[in-house]
Amino acid sequence: GAGVSQSPSNKVTEKGKDVELRCDPISGHTALYWYRQSLGQGLEFLIYFQGNSAPDKSGLPSDRFSAERTGGSVSTLTIQRTQQEDSAVYLCASSLGGGAEAFFGQGTRLTVV
Amino acid sequence: TQLLEQSPQFLSIQEGENLTVYCNSSSVFSSLQWYRQEPGEGPVLLVTVVTGGEVKKLKRLTFQFGDARKDSSLHITAAQTGDTGLYLCAGAGYGGSQGNLIFGKGTKLSVKP
Repeated sequence: GAGVSQSPSNKVTEKGKDVELRCDPISGHTALYWYRQSLGQGLEFLIYFQGNSAPDKSGLPSDRFSAERTGGSVSTLTIQRTQQEDSAVYLCASSLGGGAEAFFGQGTRLTVV
Repeated sequence: TQLLEQSPQFLSIQEGENLTVYCNSSSVFSSLQWYRQEPGEGPVLLVTVVTGGEVKKLKRLTFQFGDARKDSSLHITAAQTGDTGLYLCAGAGYGGSQGNLIFGKGTKLSVKP
């Protein structure tokens, strides 16, 4: 596609349920980032994938959060046993790597009720 | 420890006023990127500065990279309501962490008519 695509755009889930958020990066981009953004706040780094290297998971807030990137393309961020504090916008970005310009999707707004 | 400090955190001004926002760090970056994020959208790159002391102009926006490549500023002349948004700086080439791209928390700018 022309840009980074995220789905769903909005997700409302009950506390304790698991959710999966999807990111389709720009074709050819080797780097993929996940960020979390609370209302009106800056970006909180979650995880980074670069090619076939082991992902940098240093930003994941707890073991309820995990992410995969299959075939070096599509990525899925999974949140297990969701809590109300997980409510936020989850942004995905891709780039050519090495600190190059990051292209962002429009995000998934997650609301845990 | 916040690697990139942005100030001010919030700024509310009248249309036609000038403003400057800052991005500071104790770390050296190979380049620094500025993004603007509008409500409901992902951040979009405005400019990348690479050389210490570099100044780049984008219409009414002037970006400067510090001589030591540790800090940057964004100056907006005669602000317009369309400049409203969250301004994020990102340092590239930090060295292996977080995908070589470190984001500041942002400056939330509101320009009132």
